[in-house]
Amino acid sequence: AQSVAQPEDQVNVAEGNPLTVKCTYSVSGNPYLFWYVQYPNRGLQFLLKYITGDNLVKGSYGFEAEFNKSQTSFHLKKPSALVSDSALYFCAVRDEGAGTASKLTFGTGTRLQVTL
Amino acid sequence: DSGVTQTPKHLITATGQRVTLRCSPRSGDLSVYWYQQSLDQGLQFLIQYYNGEERAKGNILERFSAQQFPDLHSELNLSSLELGDSALYFCASSHHRGGRSYNEQFFGPGTRLTVL
Repeated sequence: AQSVAQPEDQVNVAEGNPLTVKCTYSVSGNPYLFWYVQYPNRGLQFLLKYITGDNLVKGSYGFEAEFNKSQTSFHLKKPSALVSDSALYFCAVRDEGAGTASKLTFGTGTRLQVTL
Repeated sequence: DSGVTQTPKHLITATGQRVTLRCSPRSGDLSVYWYQQSLDQGLQFLIQYYNGEERAKGNILERFSAQQFPDLHSELNLSSLELGDSALYFCASSHHRGGRSYNEQFFGPGTRLTVL
């Protein structure tokens, strides 16, 4: 079965500094990876995905993620953090189901705190 | 706004009761997914429906059931409720191309269920 791990419960960064939120994955076949963000009392918002192709994926709100097959990692990055980026971030992997069967397995989430 | 709607936003009920959560997917999306988010279990996949048929099943209790109607809206039924069922329940939808889905799922705002 596939799984993702987010080793950090919380990441603290000063506004204007680069940020990285870590994610590692385990799948038996090709990885299909996603990042979502959750603001307080809100649903999850899609940020970006890796299906195939370039290892650097660009997403919403200036976020990007780097896929590294040898390290089985899919870290989320942003060159310059904003206070408004403070939220809960989830890494997810799509299962290996065939055809229209699909589910996401989520990591435990990483709380990003950006301070002035 | 993701385009996925969920009702009600909040639900407070007592142990042993039964409730129904409703979800309307984004226009054109054939798949609906249900997830449960709780402090101790994190974000867990429950079940997926595609065009009215069950496609994938996760850690869904036997007391829980779901269905997708011809107009593609979905309902999640929770019965014999226990204190531990208190959680945020999310619905998500996605679009499929060519019978396969590598597409992101769009999440609704969730229904917060409190069992007293």
